[in-house]
Amino acid sequence: DVKVTQSSRYLVKRTGEKVFLECVQDMDHENMFWYRQDPGLGLRLIYFSYDVKMKEKGDIPEGYSVSREKKERFSLILESASTNQTSMYLCASSRDTDYYTQYFGPGTRLTVL
Amino acid sequence: AQSVSQHNHHVILSEAASLELGCNYSYGGTVNLFWYVQYPGQHLQLLLKYFSGDPLVKGIKGFEAEFIKSKFSFNLRKPSVQWSDTAEYFCAALLNDYKLSFGAGTTVTVRA
Repeated sequence: DVKVTQSSRYLVKRTGEKVFLECVQDMDHENMFWYRQDPGLGLRLIYFSYDVKMKEKGDIPEGYSVSREKKERFSLILESASTNQTSMYLCASSRDTDYYTQYFGPGTRLTVL
Repeated sequence: AQSVSQHNHHVILSEAASLELGCNYSYGGTVNLFWYVQYPGQHLQLLLKYFSGDPLVKGIKGFEAEFIKSKFSFNLRKPSVQWSDTAEYFCAALLNDYKLSFGAGTTVTVRA
């Protein structure tokens, strides 16, 4: 089974802090994604990566950046956390040959105070 | 704007009742459609998908969905639900680029 793990299930940070969310997948998938999940809004794509060091903006990239130095790891960075970034963050991965079957991690619930 | 809409925010029903969740998309071209499910405390996982061919798609756990192009719909159905079907269900679509667009989700509560 594909396993996608995220570094923390719950995280509490203060406004203005720099926040790192880590995601690791163990199935050699080419594509990795970061979404945020908010009630009534579903999942919204923040960034995705189709290869090491490659990234593409999703629908809501403002206030976020990403890093993919190794194929199995995709990091989401909040340069200066704000309260409106309080949310559930989901990481996903997929294979190039089956791009749209995405495997999700357990999520990180981030609270920014 | 291209989007995916789910009609119901929260559905409550009893075991053995039939379930139908609505999903509509707003795009006139070729679409690929998906239903994802998130059981309490678990990861989001793919329930079923439609790319082409037979518009009636069978998924896991007895779910099916029907693609009706003329209605821009991809409704999810299950003839007889179980308590274990309590979950949040998300419709998603690949509309015209490489990004999946998700609906807002429908929470389904099945009472024993």
